[in-house]
Amino acid sequence: EAGVAQSPRYKIIEKRQSVAFWCNPISGHATLYWYQQILGQGPKLLIQFQNNGVVDDSQLPKDRFSAERLKGVDSTLKIQPAKLEDSAVYLCASSQRGAGPGDTQYFGPGTRLTVL
Amino acid sequence: QKEVEQNSGPLSVPEGAIASLNCTYSDRGSQSFFWYRQYSGKSPELIMSIYSNGDKEDGRFTAQLNKASQYVSLLIRDSQPSDSATYLCAVNQGGTSYGKLTFGQGTILTVHP
Repeated sequence: EAGVAQSPRYKIIEKRQSVAFWCNPISGHATLYWYQQILGQGPKLLIQFQNNGVVDDSQLPKDRFSAERLKGVDSTLKIQPAKLEDSAVYLCASSQRGAGPGDTQYFGPGTRLTVL
Repeated sequence: QKEVEQNSGPLSVPEGAIASLNCTYSDRGSQSFFWYRQYSGKSPELIMSIYSNGDKEDGRFTAQLNKASQYVSLLIRDSQPSDSATYLCAVNQGGTSYGKLTFGQGTILTVHP
C-alpha cells in the first residue's frame, strides 16, 4: 500500500512570495489533514478535510493560508504572502474515516519550508 | 495551561534500561490517545494507541492511561540506541473537534550504548 505522498520535499522562498504544497493521501482515505511543525514543537493542525469538505480550519491563518481538496482526493496548501515565521515543516496526513477509536493518521514525508 | 504537555527532556537512558515518557492533557472529553515516534528529519510514525484505562502492551512498548488523572505514559523496555528519537503524545478530542489530534511538544529520548 502506497503511503501519503507530498511534494516538494524542500522549498526556499523570500518573504512576501507565495508557495504551494501538494498532498496525495493513501488511496481510499476519506480524511486529510495539514499540519505545521515548527522546529522543536509538536505538529499543529491547520486544516482537516472530510472528503472534500472542511471539518476544522480553526487554526488556519486565513489571511494568508488557503487549502483545497478537489474531488475528495489530492489537496493543495497555499501560503500567500509568506512570512519569516512560516518557516516550518508542513505535514500532510490521512486516515480512513475521520479519526476516533481505531482510526489511525498516517503522515507523509513533509515539506520543509524556509522563508528568507 | 497547555492542552497536551509532555515531560521536559531531553531524556537520556543507558542501553537496556526502561525509558519512561509522560503526558498530561487538559480536555476531560478526550477519547483516544496516541504515541508517535519521530526520527530527526522524518515524519511522525504511530507506535501505540490506547483508548481505555489501564495498560496496553506491544512488544517492548507499554502505554498506560489514567483518565481520572488525565495522564498517559509510554514505557520502553530494554531500550536500544535505535529508540533514540522524539516521542510525541497526541490526544484526540471528542465532541465538535472529533478527530482533531492535539500534539504535545515532544520529548527527545537518547539511548546511549
